[in-house]
Amino acid sequence: GEQVEQLPSILRVQEGSSASINCTYENSASNYFPWYKQEPGENPKLIIDIRSNMERKQTQGLIVLLDKKAKRFSLHITDTQPGDSAMYFCAASETSGSWQLIFGSGTQLTVMP
Amino acid sequence: AQTIHQWPVAEIKAVGSPLSLGCTIKGKSSPNLYWYWQATGGTLQQLFYSITVGQVESVVQLNLSASRPKDDQFILSTEKLLLSHSGFYLCAWSLGGVQDTQYFGPGTRLLVL
Repeated sequence: GEQVEQLPSILRVQEGSSASINCTYENSASNYFPWYKQEPGENPKLIIDIRSNMERKQTQGLIVLLDKKAKRFSLHITDTQPGDSAMYFCAASETSGSWQLIFGSGTQLTVMP
Repeated sequence: AQTIHQWPVAEIKAVGSPLSLGCTIKGKSSPNLYWYWQATGGTLQQLFYSITVGQVESVVQLNLSASRPKDDQFILSTEKLLLSHSGFYLCAWSLGGVQDTQYFGPGTRLLVL
């Protein structure tokens, strides 16, 4: 089945700088890649997603890049703020016939003032 | 607008006792429904999904079962809890298949002692 690797597991950045999180997947047929933000004690919330017919997507200070050849996708948060501090999860859709979303292990982002 | 409700909010249960967690979706007809489990500090693991009433597919066997008795209701249960069942249980819904956005409910926190 699909496996998703997410790095780094911990990321600390200065306020105003950029933060980048990288994920790799195994199944070249995976075609949907969402990113979720989860604050302590809360449910995960979708922040941006990308489908395999795109290479880049941008919304409100977030950029997602997809490299299908390398089976890699990444989240870039520009001009980080303390409110961006949270756990971030990437995910990839399983395409073997089961309706499964495979999540990465998560990145704990801390934005320091 | 669609709303997703999970009950109970939190539970403390004894090992070997039964468990029933519920999830209802209002405002969407025939949603696809999912159950996830998240260990403290861990990633999201999909447990079950359901495309229609009465039909549930298992993704991971954790000595849990799920049922969909109504279009807007998804139930997670077990007759005998294990210590390893502790964690955060999240219900999610989507309109389309696994390539469609999944929205998570508020979750149920379970502690098994």
